Amino acid sequence: SQTIHQWPATLVQPVGSPLSLECTVEGTSNPNLYWYRQAAGRGLQLLFYSVGIGQISSEVPQNLSASRPQDRQFILSSKKLLLSDSGFYLCAWSKSGANVLTFGAGSRLTVL
Amino acid sequence: GEDVEQSLFLSVREGDSSVINCTYTDSSSTYLYWYKQEPGAGLQLLTYIFSNMDMKQDQRLTVLLNKKDKHLSLRIADTQTGDSAIYFCAESPLYNFNKFYFGSGTKLNVKP
Repeated sequence: SQTIHQWPATLVQPVGSPLSLECTVEGTSNPNLYWYRQAAGRGLQLLFYSVGIGQISSEVPQNLSASRPQDRQFILSSKKLLLSDSGFYLCAWSKSGANVLTFGAGSRLTVL
Repeated sequence: GEDVEQSLFLSVREGDSSVINCTYTDSSSTYLYWYKQEPGAGLQLLTYIFSNMDMKQDQRLTVLLNKKDKHLSLRIADTQTGDSAIYFCAESPLYNFNKFYFGSGTKLNVKP
């Protein structure tokens, strides 16, 4: 069966520090991978998605970047965090060509 | 992106039925989803329906789709306190299966 892991689960970082959130999927190959942000416990904003290694689509201009160095690994990064980057970040995956999205447990980022 | 709208709050008493509503704008063939998010957790897929269907039932959950009005509803029968959560409506158009568009979520509060 397929599983998705993301870490760390909780992160408190000072303004201006770097960020790295990691997500991996097991039990499948060539998944579509997604990063969403949920601000203030509500709506989901799609940040990035990837249909293959090295292929990243950005949905909104921002202080964040994403990379996919391996088939089942998706990383969300920032060189310098802003206060507005605080939120709950969710990684998700879907089978290529399929229409079901499965989420990880989320990473809560607080920028102080 | 596509527009998915939901009311923000719903409060019901334990044992009553809950009906959570959603409207969407996509006029093409699309998949429509209901996700549940418990506090501090990721989103869990509850059920989904393709836009050529009118209804889908799964135990206590009934999804109804009014294609003409682009209105989707989730009915939870015999609502329990464990059903308290945020419920997200989402759609993924068939012409762009990489994209999933989410509503802002409806917070369901079940009173004992």
